[in-house]
Amino acid sequence: DGGITQSPKYLFRKEGQNVTLSCEQNLNHDAMYWYRQDPGQGLRLIYYSQIVNDFQKGDIAEGYSVSREKKESFPLTVTSAQKNPTAFYLCASSIFGLDTQYFGPGTRLTVL
Amino acid sequence: QKEVEQNSGPLSVPEGAIASLNCTYSDRGSQSFFWYRQYSGKSPELIMFIYSNGDKEDGRFTAQLNKASQYVSLLIRDSQPSDSATYLCAVDSGGGADGLTFGKGTHLIIQP
Repeated sequence: DGGITQSPKYLFRKEGQNVTLSCEQNLNHDAMYWYRQDPGQGLRLIYYSQIVNDFQKGDIAEGYSVSREKKESFPLTVTSAQKNPTAFYLCASSIFGLDTQYFGPGTRLTVL
Repeated sequence: QKEVEQNSGPLSVPEGAIASLNCTYSDRGSQSFFWYRQYSGKSPELIMFIYSNGDKEDGRFTAQLNKASQYVSLLIRDSQPSDSATYLCAVDSGGGADGLTFGKGTHLIIQP
């Protein structure tokens, strides 16, 4: 059963903590992405990776970090430097060279 | 700065009628255009994509693209209550796996 999984579904963070959001895909897609969605807003690109061990900043990378050690996995760390991290975080993937993206179920992060 | 504009709505349409959703984009070099449906609290689901000027039909859905006017639309025929959702327009200008630019979405309500 192919798809994209994200965990956890809900995450609560205290001020000053770093948290890591998981994204795994078994679609054999080369490219993976992280987006952030705020209420009533469109999706904004945080980071993307087209190939293992390589990634690029998107429009709102400040306060976030990523790694791409395996093709299947693209975890996102929300650091304490991100001043307003409460949002819905969406991971997506696509076949390299094609721009059609498919999304995971998302992680809702709340800062307490 | 690439921009994608959508009327936020809500757009209210009677059941069985045609729903028309519109989107304009700023980057004249944009090459690929996508419509995603997003139910409240869920992740976006790909509905249609279109690359060439003209119409593309898939079941009850028709995507229309006019590159000269920088305009893309989605028509939903025989609207059903289950079509009630937010519809996100997304545009890719990079010709590859470097992320999409999303509009803020149009909230569609199908009235039984």
